[in-house]
Amino acid sequence: EPEVTQTPSHQVTQMGQEVILRCVPISNHLYFYWYRQILGQKVEFLVSFYNNEISEKSEIFDDQFSVERPDGSNFTLKIRSTKLEDSAMYFCASSGTGYEQYFGPGTRLTVT
Amino acid sequence: GEDVEQSLFLSVREGDSSVINCTYTDSSSTYLYWYKQEPGAGLQLLTYIFSNMDMKQDQRLTVLLNKKDKHLSLRIADTQTGDSAIYFCAESPSSNTGKLIFGQGTTLQVKP
Repeated sequence: EPEVTQTPSHQVTQMGQEVILRCVPISNHLYFYWYRQILGQKVEFLVSFYNNEISEKSEIFDDQFSVERPDGSNFTLKIRSTKLEDSAMYFCASSGTGYEQYFGPGTRLTVT
Repeated sequence: GEDVEQSLFLSVREGDSSVINCTYTDSSSTYLYWYKQEPGAGLQLLTYIFSNMDMKQDQRLTVLLNKKDKHLSLRIADTQTGDSAIYFCAESPSSNTGKLIFGQGTTLQVKP
């Protein structure tokens, strides 16, 4: 069964450094998403992406965040200058219809 | 604003039915979802219901939707120890971008 994959599973970085989180959505899916879950808090929407552009972003998704689909298979989330409060589990999701979203296993980002 | 609330914890005995409840605020939500998260894993889509339905059954899972009260429930029949996990309710607001608003998750503990 096709699944969303994410790499790395755990990323440790120092405050101020740039990180890129990678996702491979399910083949033929057209809608892509990033969410994050800070420990002990709700899963929060960050951004949705369709037709090579952002369709919606939350207020969390400020200028330090960007997304890209550099080729036909990868979908990346870049955080330019990480802060301690960016430490969280980051989930990528994809959808073929825009209704059913399938999530990856997540990348745990630890900012020290 | 958009908000989804769930109780935090439910404990049942193996073989009993489990009922996990959720309330949401956006009356124009088109779809409502249940996801399951096992330890160390991502979010697994269990089932979803379109807002013009009031019930959906899928094997051991029954979803009930009371649109008037903005109340969603997930019933798991014949609960097994393998059902122990965190269950998230989510709504898809009317923004048409597919973003999901999640509840804080209900931890289901199944005792043998």
